[in-house]
Amino acid sequence: DIQMTQSPSSLSASVGDRVTITCQASQDITHYLNWYQQKPGKAPKLLIYDASNLETGVPSRFSGSGSGTDFTFTISSLQPEDFATYFCQQFHNLPLTFGGGTKVEIK
Amino acid sequence: EVQLVESGGGLVQPGRSLRLSCAASGFPFDDYAMHWVRQAPGKGLEWVSGISWNSGSTGFADSVKGRFTISRDNADNSLYLQMNSLRPEDTALYYCVKDGNKYRYGHFDGWGQGALVIVSS
Repeated sequence: DIQMTQSPSSLSASVGDRVTITCQASQDITHYLNWYQQKPGKAPKLLIYDASNLETGVPSRFSGSGSGTDFTFTISSLQPEDFATYFCQQFHNLPLTFGGGTKVEIK
Repeated sequence: EVQLVESGGGLVQPGRSLRLSCAASGFPFDDYAMHWVRQAPGKGLEWVSGISWNSGSTGFADSVKGRFTISRDNADNSLYLQMNSLRPEDTALYYCVKDGNKYRYGHFDGWGQGALVIVSS
């Protein structure tokens, strides 16, 4: 199985900060990586697919990059509604696997 | 608008069975692969199972292989998860999830609100 290592597991940031989360795959997954946002008590929401494609309706302050084994998710200017948990997910191989999540909290 | 509504969750004893259902609407159901993803209380996300648009291929997490089966009824816009030999570690919120693709598994672009399954004696 492909292991997805996400870091950090949590971070504290202020409104307006630039936030970066990384996800490392245990083997080459080319560009087969997605990013999701989950708020408490809610279902996850797709933000980025295929490593760098912004899902329709998602604000442009969210972005993704990377290929192979190393990926980055960035929020260019953190907004109050962005405080949530973020997960990466690979779809290169079955079983599909998620990273452990990064909780973004208010500083 | 994509709508996915799960049902069938509840409290069940270890070793027993439960069947989850998902009613889909707002999109052409038979044009997309579908999945079940679960989340144990306070934990991360775990993909459980997926099924292609025509039921031609299915996949399972190692943790449920041989115990769970996935199926769909395209005429009825419904997805199912039959869970047998349930264990306490299967306790989770189970999400019905729409894939963005038809022919292969990819990104999850539609989620239900989840059905809670509690396995306990």
